[in-house]
Amino acid sequence: KAGVTQTPRYLIKTRGQQVTLSCSPISGHRSVSWYQQTPGQGLQFLFEYFSETQRNKGNFPGRFSGRQFSNSRSEMNVSTLELGDSALYLCASSLELAVGKNEQFFGPGTRLTVL
Amino acid sequence: AQSVSQHNHHVILSEAASLELGCNYSYGGTVNLFWYVQYPGQHLQLLLKYFSGDPLVKGIKGFEAEFIKSKFSFNLRKPSVQWSDTAEYFCAVRVNTGFQKLVFGTGTRLLVSP
Repeated sequence: KAGVTQTPRYLIKTRGQQVTLSCSPISGHRSVSWYQQTPGQGLQFLFEYFSETQRNKGNFPGRFSGRQFSNSRSEMNVSTLELGDSALYLCASSLELAVGKNEQFFGPGTRLTVL
Repeated sequence: AQSVSQHNHHVILSEAASLELGCNYSYGGTVNLFWYVQYPGQHLQLLLKYFSGDPLVKGIKGFEAEFIKSKFSFNLRKPSVQWSDTAEYFCAVRVNTGFQKLVFGTGTRLLVSP
């Protein structure tokens, strides 16, 4: 079974631009979560989606947004990029068989560099 | 706010040495606990997880962890490390078991010298 895939793997943008990152979960997984990983702040939760609905959001500005499609694929968007948005963006998917019994499987990430 | 503390940021061991990485969390309710590993150039992989039941959990590659509720701890152990265990290790806590959100510790970089 294929794992979580993220595209693109690397991205270079300049300040003020916007970017869209894509995540395809493991087949059959309906939940997708996004995390930002930086050397200074570590791994921080951005948001999670289930059945096309955002059900949880981390403490990030409104420039960070996302969505989930009916096939469970997810995208996240960052508008008006800032230098501090440079990070590894990780996507994770979960099967959600039962409450409190779920584990997340992570993708390889998209490395975003903002110049 | 919930937080997860990993006491050791960098650990250097020789092969065959024993490993214990500390993890403490600040949340009094029901939690799910995880250890993830990130090998150089690879993505995060789940080492082991605790949902309920036996507080001593065994994971892949000979790793185990013990959940001590009274100490809010979930320490990772391995009796004998190998060079291939060189990686960064993250402790993570799910404080709301109805959602997927994980709160991660800052990570511990382990270097195992041959």
